[in-house]
Amino acid sequence: GAVVSQHPSRVICKSGTSVKIECRSLDFQATTMFWYRQFPKQSLMLMATSNEGSKATYEQGVEKDKFLINHASLTLSTLTVTSAHPEDSSFYICSARDAAAVQETQYFGPGTRLLVL
Amino acid sequence: KQEVTQIPAALSVPEGENLVLNCSFTDSAIYNLQWFRQDPGKGLTSLLLIQSSQREQTSGRLNASLDKSSGRSTLYIAASQPGDSATYLCAASISGSARQLTFGSGTQLTVLP
Repeated sequence: GAVVSQHPSRVICKSGTSVKIECRSLDFQATTMFWYRQFPKQSLMLMATSNEGSKATYEQGVEKDKFLINHASLTLSTLTVTSAHPEDSSFYICSARDAAAVQETQYFGPGTRLLVL
Repeated sequence: KQEVTQIPAALSVPEGENLVLNCSFTDSAIYNLQWFRQDPGKGLTSLLLIQSSQREQTSGRLNASLDKSSGRSTLYIAASQPGDSATYLCAASISGSARQLTFGSGTQLTVLP
């Protein structure tokens, strides 16, 4: 099946710093990628929809100036958590939709665990 | 706004038992419905995808059904094994250009040896 990678898999940072998370589709092109956040014992909550070559669409309650999304190519989307605070500590998961596939399955990355001290 | 609910939140069964996980959604105008598996601290593994025009999908010991009119989907696991222990998530893809997924809160399954 299609493979989506995320880097880094785990990051620990000090409060106030910015953290960039990469999401790559390794063997297919993805015009649309999605960013989710998952707090412990909770389900995935969609943060934003990332479209190649255009601005991301953010869900209600998600600050676009705090969570910067760039989808510069058909295989790469990045999420930058700016001025991270302890409450941003979470598990961030991206998914990508294969633009050429008949069935619009979303393929998920392995996730990035962020801990802000 | 689509809401997805999963019952039960947790389930513990002895090995070999057949079991059913339930998922309900409020908006029947879905594009498809997917079932995922998530192991602790890991990402998601897609198990089954049912298009809105389909009634069920099967893969090995797994069978997923979809009833749009009642807003329900079930995941049937036959002859459960300890390796099936994980959290199972269902997600409904809404109609529209972006096809965002709305996830349920999951069912944490433990299969006891």
